[in-house]
Amino acid sequence: ELKVEQNPLFLSMQEGKNYTIYCNYSTTSDRLYWYRQDPGKSLESLFVLLSNGAVKQEGRLMASLDTKARLSTLHITAAVHDLSATYFCAVDMTSGNTPLVFGKGTRLSVIA
Amino acid sequence: DTGVSQDPRHKITKRGQNVTFRCDPISEHNRLYWYRQTLGQGPEFLTYFQNEAQLEKSRLLSDRFSAERPKGSFSTLEIQRTEQGDSAMYLCASRSGLTYEQYFGPGTRLTVT
Repeated sequence: ELKVEQNPLFLSMQEGKNYTIYCNYSTTSDRLYWYRQDPGKSLESLFVLLSNGAVKQEGRLMASLDTKARLSTLHITAAVHDLSATYFCAVDMTSGNTPLVFGKGTRLSVIA
Repeated sequence: DTGVSQDPRHKITKRGQNVTFRCDPISEHNRLYWYRQTLGQGPEFLTYFQNEAQLEKSRLLSDRFSAERPKGSFSTLEIQRTEQGDSAMYLCASRSGLTYEQYFGPGTRLTVT
């Protein structure tokens, strides 16, 4: 059974600081997804990582994937308040027609 | 707007009643997924359609739950004899056969009293 673990689950960080969220998964997969969710809202796709060594960046967020270590990271650079949200990583099986398995999410709060 | 839409956005019902939710995927997306999300948790898979065929169902989907996608376009999720434990956000997502990214709708928040 595919399991996805994120840490930390809660993160309070000061504006301007850097931090990394980690996502580990239990079985082989080449595809990993990061989503953002604001309170009471649905999920917004941030990144789709489709191969080992993939790195994608958008603004202050950068995501990477190491399929050998079964690890993805979401790095936050110089955090701003607008980044406060819950961030989920999700994995699906390599066969391609399987649903996403999500982690529990990391609730990020950026404070002044 | 051509995103995934869901209706209703909120539903309050009494225990024991039946409820039905609708999802309209992005046009020409042949894959459609239903997930359930409870407070403080990530979404959990319920069921998946490719065109009109229901290809996979989670063990979370008890006999009280049924889903259809009759013409391979919109989908409905029905819950019969609702229980308080069914209270959750029900999310629908769709994707095309050409990419892996799933696009989520705004969700239907169900409250069972």
